[in-house]
Amino acid sequence: GQQLNQSPQSMFIQEGEDVSMNCTSSSIFNTWLWYKQDPGEGPVLLIALYKAGELTSNGRLTAQFGITRKDSFLNISASIPSDVGIYFCAGQANTGNQFYFGTGTSLTVIP
Amino acid sequence: GAGVSQSPSNKVTEKGKDVELRCDPISGHTALYWYRQSLGQGLEFLIYFQGNSAPDKSGLPSDRFSAERTGGSVSTLTIQRTQQEDSAVYLCASSLMREKLFFGSGTQLSVL
Repeated sequence: GQQLNQSPQSMFIQEGEDVSMNCTSSSIFNTWLWYKQDPGEGPVLLIALYKAGELTSNGRLTAQFGITRKDSFLNISASIPSDVGIYFCAGQANTGNQFYFGTGTSLTVIP
Repeated sequence: GAGVSQSPSNKVTEKGKDVELRCDPISGHTALYWYRQSLGQGLEFLIYFQGNSAPDKSGLPSDRFSAERTGGSVSTLTIQRTQQEDSAVYLCASSLMREKLFFGSGTQLSVL
């Protein structure tokens, strides 16, 4: 199946710092999604991207659909304690039905 | 309901027993997915339903796993003769066509 490489695997940052994480795929995707998962909960959708080069913001979060269509980035500005959780990227190719998920980035924010 | 609902939220079973996990998708969503998440891991695709089309079962790990979706709404994932390696969180998601997925809170399955 598709391989989605997500990095970094974990991050420990001070409150107020900016965060950046990314995903790369072995093939072209038509849709990129970014999710956040809290312990004991299902992933919650943060941002959806549908076009190469698209840059979309949701509050302090900004995500971009890479020009090559094989990567995507998520940035969090001015982190706060409630940003703690695991962030997943997900991508979907033009053919096939499933969304492929990255292995996640665990974010810890130190007050 | 407003979101994807899964039941039970937790299930403890003995090795060799069968289990059924239920998913109620968002009303009107035609697509339904099942994923499995092992501790500290990403999401592993299991099966996909879209309307009345034949389901995409390419992710089911063995013939002990099966799923059905009745009336294009509620879905049940069945695991027969459970093994300890089946222990994981089973997540259900629904969407409109091939649009973004909305997840339930999952069922934590523990096989003793």
